[in-house]
Amino acid sequence: GENVEQHPSTLSVQEGDSAVIKCTYSDSASNYFPWYKQELGKRPQLIIDIRSNVGEKKDQRIAVTLNKTAKHFSLHITETQPEDSAVYFCAAIYGGGADGLTFGKGTHLIIQP
Amino acid sequence: EADIYQTPRYLVIGTGKKITLECSQTMGHDKMYWYQQDPGMELHLIHYSYGVNSTEKGDLSSESTVSRIRTEHFPLTLESARPSHTSQYLCASSEFGGYSAGELFFGEGSRLTVL
Repeated sequence: GENVEQHPSTLSVQEGDSAVIKCTYSDSASNYFPWYKQELGKRPQLIIDIRSNVGEKKDQRIAVTLNKTAKHFSLHITETQPEDSAVYFCAAIYGGGADGLTFGKGTHLIIQP
Repeated sequence: EADIYQTPRYLVIGTGKKITLECSQTMGHDKMYWYQQDPGMELHLIHYSYGVNSTEKGDLSSESTVSRIRTEHFPLTLESARPSHTSQYLCASSEFGGYSAGELFFGEGSRLTVL
């Protein structure tokens, strides 16, 4: 089955700096890669996603890049703010698609004032 | 407003009790899922369903069972709760499956503590 590796597990950055979270996947047939943000005590919510026919997607301060050859994708957050502090999960659709998303183990992003 | 609802939000029970966690969605989605998550930790898929009368086990072995008699309803049952079942259970739904996978919508979760 699909295996998604996510790094780092914890990331601390100064407010205003950029943050990058990286994920790799194993199934070359995967074609949908979402990122979810989970604030403390809240439910995970989709913040951005990318499909395999696109190499990069941007939405204001966040962007996602996809390298299908290397089977890795990354989340980029620029000009970080305190409200960006949360756990971020990457995911990939399992090759056969039937089971749904396989999630990475999550990254705790801490924004230092 | 279309959403996905879970009850109870918090539950503290004794060992050996039977419990059912309720999940309902008003989004008209076919696919529904149950994830188990310790706070801030990895999401583990324990059950999913393609639609009415469809139930499948996920990646993480679980002693719980699920049913899907109605499209909007996907309850999870533990016949005999144990302290090892203490965790947060997140229900989710999505519009598509397979290669047309769409956004996964999560409920607010049910936090279970077994004493």
